[in-house]
Amino acid sequence: NAGVTQTPKFQVLKTGQSMTLQCAQDMNHEYMSWYRQDPGMGLRLIHYSVGAGITDQGEVPNGYNVSRSTTEDFPLRLLSAAPSQTSVYFCASSDYLNTEAFFGQGTRLTVV
Amino acid sequence: AQKITQTQPGMFVQEKEAVTLDCTYDTSDPSYGLFWYKQPSSGEMIFLIYQGSYDQQNATEGRYSLNFQKARKSANLVISASQLGDSAMYFCAMRDIAKYSGGADGLTFGKGTHLIIQP
Repeated sequence: NAGVTQTPKFQVLKTGQSMTLQCAQDMNHEYMSWYRQDPGMGLRLIHYSVGAGITDQGEVPNGYNVSRSTTEDFPLRLLSAAPSQTSVYFCASSDYLNTEAFFGQGTRLTVV
Repeated sequence: AQKITQTQPGMFVQEKEAVTLDCTYDTSDPSYGLFWYKQPSSGEMIFLIYQGSYDQQNATEGRYSLNFQKARKSANLVISASQLGDSAMYFCAMRDIAKYSGGADGLTFGKGTHLIIQP
């Protein structure tokens, strides 16, 4: 059971570089979200999607872009990485019947 | 705006004792969902239990139960007969059901409680 798969698990970027964090789910879920987790804090919502072609901003969207061209994939793009984006990133998915959000394993990103 | 407060940054509990992790929330919305997640040192987020704001009974899942006191806006997690493997960070989270349709959307998390079970 793959569930929610995030790649890569670890990444180091230099300030100003761009990259894409990948997220894929095989449960045919409509809803997908990206969160970031900083030390001493809970997860904070970056962007979310309620279906293919539909995305919206969460609590901390600045510096990130998303798109949802398929039900399965929800990539998160860092346009110009900054040290403040050093964090652990989680992707999650669910459908409207779920009372549970299924989380990926997380991506630990360091920006130097 | 929604807010989740977990007032216990860390707790030490003896193995086999029951544990109560506190969570209070603040929302003006009548329809919401409350979640508890466990995050072990390996980092993954593990779903434990869910309570809907209109659910009449407190949720239970095995050794986990949610003490839901709506008037007090409280959603404490109770772990019965704690085990060494329960040592982890525990997060309380809330979702505004009217605003966000799916379970993954719009979760607002507390800062967590670090639970350590001692033998």
